[in-house]
Amino acid sequence: AQSVAQPEDQVNVAEGNPLTVKCTYSVSGNPYLFWYVQYPNRGLQFLLKYITGDNLVKGSYGFEAEFNKSQTSFHLKKPSALVSDSALYFCAVRGRNQTGANNLFFGTGTRLTVIP
Amino acid sequence: DTGVSQNPRHKITKRGQNVTFRCDPISEHNRLYWYRQTLGQGPEFLTYFQNEAQLEKSRLLSDRFSAERPKGSFSTLEIQRTEQGDSAMYLCASSHRASYNEQFFGPGTRLTVL
Repeated sequence: AQSVAQPEDQVNVAEGNPLTVKCTYSVSGNPYLFWYVQYPNRGLQFLLKYITGDNLVKGSYGFEAEFNKSQTSFHLKKPSALVSDSALYFCAVRGRNQTGANNLFFGTGTRLTVIP
Repeated sequence: DTGVSQNPRHKITKRGQNVTFRCDPISEHNRLYWYRQTLGQGPEFLTYFQNEAQLEKSRLLSDRFSAERPKGSFSTLEIQRTEQGDSAMYLCASSHRASYNEQFFGPGTRLTVL
């Protein structure tokens, strides 16, 4: 069975400081991992994905994520936080089933607040 | 705008009534997904279409829920005899057939059952 854990409900960081939003996963086989961001009254927006290859994945808006197979983690990072990065962040892993549905299993989300 | 669209954006209904939501995916995407998101939780998978075929249904999808995608384009999600526990945000997403491609989400339909 697939699952995702986001251990922090809330992360606060000062503007200009680096940020990390944590995610660990459980999946059989090779993981396909995703990060999405949700702003108020807007749909989920794709940030980045890990399928294979380099463990450091770069995505939209200056975000990146590091895949660590031994720790089964896929933490989201950004070198310098902006106030506009304040939002709800979801980590997700792709499911595997007989029909190939590829539906996503999401974590419970981490609310990031960047303090001016 | 060529993104995923959903209508209505908000729906308030009384318990016991039927409601129907519509999703228009990105035009070249043949895969369509419905998810449900409740407060403080991540989206939970409900059902999946590849073209017009409904290939997967979550056990979350009770008999009161039905989804269709008659021509492989837009999709509808109907909830019959709504219950207060159905109150949630219903999200639609679409993706290209390449299995590892990311899903693009619509803005959602927020359902409130009184």
